[in-house]
Amino acid sequence: DGGITQSPKYLFRKEGQNVTLSCEQNLNHDAMYWYRQDPGQGLRLIYYSQIVNDFQKGDIAEGYSVSREKKESFPLTVTSAQKNPTAFYLCATHTGGDDEQYFGPGTRLTVT
Amino acid sequence: GQQLNQSPQSMFIQEGEDVSMNCTSSSIFNTWLWYKQDPGEGPVLLIALYKAGELTSNGRLTAQFGITRKDSFLNISASIPSDVGIYFCAGQRVTGTASKLTFGTGTRLQVTL
Repeated sequence: DGGITQSPKYLFRKEGQNVTLSCEQNLNHDAMYWYRQDPGQGLRLIYYSQIVNDFQKGDIAEGYSVSREKKESFPLTVTSAQKNPTAFYLCATHTGGDDEQYFGPGTRLTVT
Repeated sequence: GQQLNQSPQSMFIQEGEDVSMNCTSSSIFNTWLWYKQDPGEGPVLLIALYKAGELTSNGRLTAQFGITRKDSFLNISASIPSDVGIYFCAGQRVTGTASKLTFGTGTRLQVTL
């Protein structure tokens, strides 16, 4: 099955701990994205990567870090510097050009 | 970062009614996309619009790309209970191999029998 997987679906952490969210795709798409969604709001871009070993900050990158060592994988680390980490995190991929972005099922992170 | 103006924020309608929602922006986009999101899931693409003035249908859904490239609307005809969810518009700009999406704040649709 081709698609985007995010794991786990739900994640709980204590304040002050770093946590890494997984995003894997087998669609052979070059570009991958991380978004954050808060209740009642649209998605906001955290980081994106156009190609392996390259990534750029989005609109709200502070307190987050990413890596892109493999085409299939784009993990997001929510660091202790992120002041309000509790949110729904969505990963997406893109084939290129005008084609649309495809979204994974999301990970809901709760930090207490 | 910018978010698009999407209205209405929420709607309660009866099954069988038609629904209309729209999205406006202060800047131009190359592509307009409409997504639907069910609770706790990722957004799923409904319709993509690539040319100014384009009117596109997908079953009971119809969407248009505004002629100024700064707005779009989505219509749902004869709504059914499974239409319940949050609908997002998104404007897309492409740079290199990456696309950057700017999302609207969403329209929550609830359908009563």
